[in-house]
Amino acid sequence: KQEVTQIPAALSVPEGENLVLNCSFTDSAIYNLQWFRQDPGKGLTSLLLIQSSQREQTSGRLNASLDKSSGRSTLYIAASQPGDSATYLCAVRTTANTGNQFYFGTGTSLTVIP
Amino acid sequence: EPEVTQTPSHQVTQMGQEVILRCVPISNHLYFYWYRQILGQKVEFLVSFYNNEISEKSEIFDDQFSVERPDGSNFTLKIRSTKLEDSAMYFCASGYRGRSDGYTFGSGTRLTVV
Repeated sequence: KQEVTQIPAALSVPEGENLVLNCSFTDSAIYNLQWFRQDPGKGLTSLLLIQSSQREQTSGRLNASLDKSSGRSTLYIAASQPGDSATYLCAVRTTANTGNQFYFGTGTSLTVIP
Repeated sequence: EPEVTQTPSHQVTQMGQEVILRCVPISNHLYFYWYRQILGQKVEFLVSFYNNEISEKSEIFDDQFSVERPDGSNFTLKIRSTKLEDSAMYFCASGYRGRSDGYTFGSGTRLTVV
């Protein structure tokens, strides 16, 4: 069964810093990987979807990379802002089943200090 | 931007009662999902639904649970005979093309069983 781990569990940075969130997964036979943002008590907002054939995806100040062979993805946030404070989740789909389910990591709780 | 809408946002129910959680997916989406997140734990897959039938379900999704798309727009999750451990945030999600697509999640229903 796919296991997804996110490190660190929590991160606190001053405003303006660039930062990297890490995601690792045990089964490298993935179909795609999606990064989400979750605000306290709220739903999941999709940030980036990266297909297994892609190495990276970019959206604004966010850049997600994927290294399938080593079972890793990173989410890079440039010039962090207080509004970026949230929990960031990565989720992967494997090719080992025919379904659509995502396996989620435990998340990284980010606090950006003004 | 199109949204997935979930109602109610918070529901409190007594142990043993039945609850129905409602979702209105994005109108042209074809794939529908329920996930749950117990407080402090990972987001977990419950069930996926396509072409008016369940396409995949997890071991969590036992006979206590059922899903329905009664009228072509709503997508419901019914939990019979609720238990204390069913207390969680329940998320509905929808997607257009299945595995190659990301999901759009709703903002969730917080279910509290007392």
